[in-house]
Amino acid sequence: QKEVEQNSGPLSVPEGAIASLNCTYSDRVSQSFFWYRQYSGKSPELIMSIYSNGDKEDGRFTAQLNKASQYVSLLIRDSQPSDSATYLCAVSNFNKFYFGSGTKLNVKP
Amino acid sequence: EADIYQTPRYLVIGTGKKITLECSQTMGHDKMYWYQQDPGMELHLIHYSYGVNSTEKGDLSSESTVSRIRTEHFPLTLESARPSHTSQYLCASSEERGGNYGYTFGSGTRLTVV
Repeated sequence: QKEVEQNSGPLSVPEGAIASLNCTYSDRVSQSFFWYRQYSGKSPELIMSIYSNGDKEDGRFTAQLNKASQYVSLLIRDSQPSDSATYLCAVSNFNKFYFGSGTKLNVKP
Repeated sequence: EADIYQTPRYLVIGTGKKITLECSQTMGHDKMYWYQQDPGMELHLIHYSYGVNSTEKGDLSSESTVSRIRTEHFPLTLESARPSHTSQYLCASSEERGGNYGYTFGSGTRLTVV
């Protein structure tokens, strides 16, 4: 079982729609959770971090964390073609840091 | 501006050559990492360091070696490059408390061994 699981996609949404990306993790004592965006051929860039249960909003992005169910999600409102990328979920516990394999998002004009 | 730098950005080299991929960060981070990533595939941790003179092998077996003589510098060396080493190599760093602050990635080195 992988530490972090993501659906590889691709997830296709029309422009202007809400894209919902999900991630589950196996280590119950995980403390910190991150979403990275990676454009094709580029390096990952951190777009959201969340540490406590609930929602955290930053512009068009909302991260949601549910530690009891061990899942974290990322919502992208008003999706734009420029949001088309692979989104990596990452989970941290003290010195361990795990990346998921990523979900590819396609936003169609 | 605090950042993490990787050079070269692209490298095409012949089989059997020795190469060193450079990674430097100006953020004073103690922890640094090397990941290998093939196109469209997941990240694989190949080396990491928690500070000067500390290096460890990651989850993916690699024929490369690393050194950490200075906090800001974490080079990766391949003694004898092979076509199977063709990949993208990503360097990252994080603060001493590790995951609480996430990773910052360099722009990567795309290596092609012919």
